[in-house]
Amino acid sequence: ETGVTQSPTHLIKTRGQQVTLRCSSQSGHNTVSWYQQALGQGPQFIFQYYREEENGRGNFPPRFSGLQFPNYSSELNVNALELDDSALYLCASSRDLNTGELFFGEGSRLTVL
Amino acid sequence: GESVGLHLPTLSVQEGDNSIINCAYSNSASDYFIWYKQESGKGPQFIIDIRSNMDKRQGQRVTVLLNKTVKHLSLQIAATQPGDSAVYFCAEYGNTGGFKTIFGAGTRLFVKA
Repeated sequence: ETGVTQSPTHLIKTRGQQVTLRCSSQSGHNTVSWYQQALGQGPQFIFQYYREEENGRGNFPPRFSGLQFPNYSSELNVNALELDDSALYLCASSRDLNTGELFFGEGSRLTVL
Repeated sequence: GESVGLHLPTLSVQEGDNSIINCAYSNSASDYFIWYKQESGKGPQFIIDIRSNMDKRQGQRVTVLLNKTVKHLSLQIAATQPGDSAVYFCAEYGNTGGFKTIFGAGTRLFVKA
């Protein structure tokens, strides 16, 4: 519906492992942002990429890192997983930096045991 | 600091009535606000946005009001329908130390038939 696809949809990891989540942006969008949403809470901003460069970051530790590729697809990497990292991870794309109109994927549900 | 909050965690309305969802923000320099709707199992969906040079903006069955004096905005949904049942988030988009979108905690809207 939004043209933003995320993979995988669900995954289970154990504490200390690393995870990579992927996102394909809507066609024509050069900006992508990632959010962590715990159950019953609002999405928490992790970071934003514009034309392959990070241009905004929330209050997340360095073990949360990302990449945006030339085709504007994106990855979120989380190292040294902790139990509190269990959440829904949402990716959103937008046309450019001047708009706050975000198009979200349906998320990747991460469970850390 | 940055924060966007909501007055009530849940709101229950009768089908056909109007719904009003409120939101407060703390940063007087904030100038761009967005409302999102999130249905169960889905990512947030853009509803409407408003910039600080406006007090009111209307969409299809929705109206957003912005009161900069008291740092408050509201989302009004006319003739609420069962399909409006969801969690509603207000969010702020801006460039303070980097571009970022800050979401509030959300209000769950229940529509009674």
